[in-house]
Amino acid sequence: NAGVTQTPKFQVLKTGQSMTLQCAQDMNHNSMYWYRQDPGMGLRLIYYSASEGTTDKGEVPNGYNVSRLNKREFSLRLESAAPSQTSVYFCASSEEYVGSPLHFGNGTRLTVT
Amino acid sequence: KNEVEQSPQNLTAQEGEFITINCSYSVGISALHWLQQHPGGGIVSLFMLSSGKKKHGRLIATINIQEKHSSLHITASHPRDSAVYICAVRLHYGGSQGNLIFGKGTKLSVKP
Repeated sequence: NAGVTQTPKFQVLKTGQSMTLQCAQDMNHNSMYWYRQDPGMGLRLIYYSASEGTTDKGEVPNGYNVSRLNKREFSLRLESAAPSQTSVYFCASSEEYVGSPLHFGNGTRLTVT
Repeated sequence: KNEVEQSPQNLTAQEGEFITINCSYSVGISALHWLQQHPGGGIVSLFMLSSGKKKHGRLIATINIQEKHSSLHITASHPRDSAVYICAVRLHYGGSQGNLIFGKGTKLSVKP
């Protein structure tokens, strides 16, 4: 019963390096999301995908790209990491109906030096 | 202006106490979620409310749509309830759950 699997758990990057955060869910959900969580702030949406092949920008998309590879997988890419992207990143998935619960991955703690 | 405000920001209680965490919002919503973030960082959904009241074990969540307010109550609190509790609202104009707005969370510590 894996739910939402997110990798890696920790990552340290130097400014300008690139990396991809991976997320996969096994609940057959159409909707998937990437959030970032910063101290003193609520979770903020980076990108979301309502279905395979579609993606939409959230509140803080700058500096990120996403790819909905198939129904299971939704990856987040930092092309040129910046210290402002130091954060904890969460992937989540849900069904589409109003009020369906969100299922979160365990998070990735990213530090950009 | 924050559209979702939680209070208190931090809360320390003794084991067994009754706990209330509040969430106020300033926009029209179609649903409100309560989430729990464990000290290790994982986040789980506790409740979704669009009206009334829900109960699960020692947790009770209520919502008053007219007053734009929700409360999360914990009865007979226990140290394992120590976590950050997050309120999130789904905006009324629909679309996917990409339009959830999250509060900053209430950090609860229950002492034995």
